[in-house]
Amino acid sequence: KAGVTQTPRYLIKTRGQQVTLSCSPISGHRSVSWYQQTPGQGLQFLFEYFSETQRNKGNFPGRFSGRQFSNSRSEMNVSTLELGDSALYLCASSSRTGDNEQFFGPGTRLTVL
Amino acid sequence: AQKITQTQPGMFVQEKEAVTLDCTYDTSDQSYGLFWYKQPSSGEMIFLIYQGSYDEQNATEGRYSLNFQKARKSANLVISASQLGDSAMYFCAMRPVKAAGNKLTFGGGTRVLVKP
Repeated sequence: KAGVTQTPRYLIKTRGQQVTLSCSPISGHRSVSWYQQTPGQGLQFLFEYFSETQRNKGNFPGRFSGRQFSNSRSEMNVSTLELGDSALYLCASSSRTGDNEQFFGPGTRLTVL
Repeated sequence: AQKITQTQPGMFVQEKEAVTLDCTYDTSDQSYGLFWYKQPSSGEMIFLIYQGSYDEQNATEGRYSLNFQKARKSANLVISASQLGDSAMYFCAMRPVKAAGNKLTFGGGTRVLVKP
């Protein structure tokens, strides 16, 4: 069974641009969560989608948004990029919400110049 | 709100020895789950072990065991017989059971370096 895939793996953008990151969960998994990891703030929850509905949202500005498609693939979008958005963005999938085990992808490393 | 504290930013351990990684937590929830993840330099988070707050016994998974002391609100990870491949960042995390969703609250992590 293929694991969680995230594309692209690396991305360089400039301030003010927008970016879209993609996450494909493990086949059959319907829950996708997104996390931001930075050296200063550590790992922070962004949002969770389950069956195309946002179930939870972390404490991030509205520039951060996401969605989930009918095949459970998820995208997150960051508009008007700031230098502080440079981070590793991790996606995790599980078969259902409230699951004990979440499987993480390799992450997308975003650098904002 | 939940809070996870990992007080050891980094530690060295000799190959084949055991190492204990500390994790304390704070929550007002009565029912919650505690997790440990390993993050190698590649960046991917690898699930290691899970402990439910009402589980009677401490969780074990191969060389990993969780020393759960509910009254002290601690959930320390013990890695036995350390291997060079255990060198990585280790994160403790928790999630309230009653809340819908998979939101995890993570600690700051502990970097482990296994010496040959």
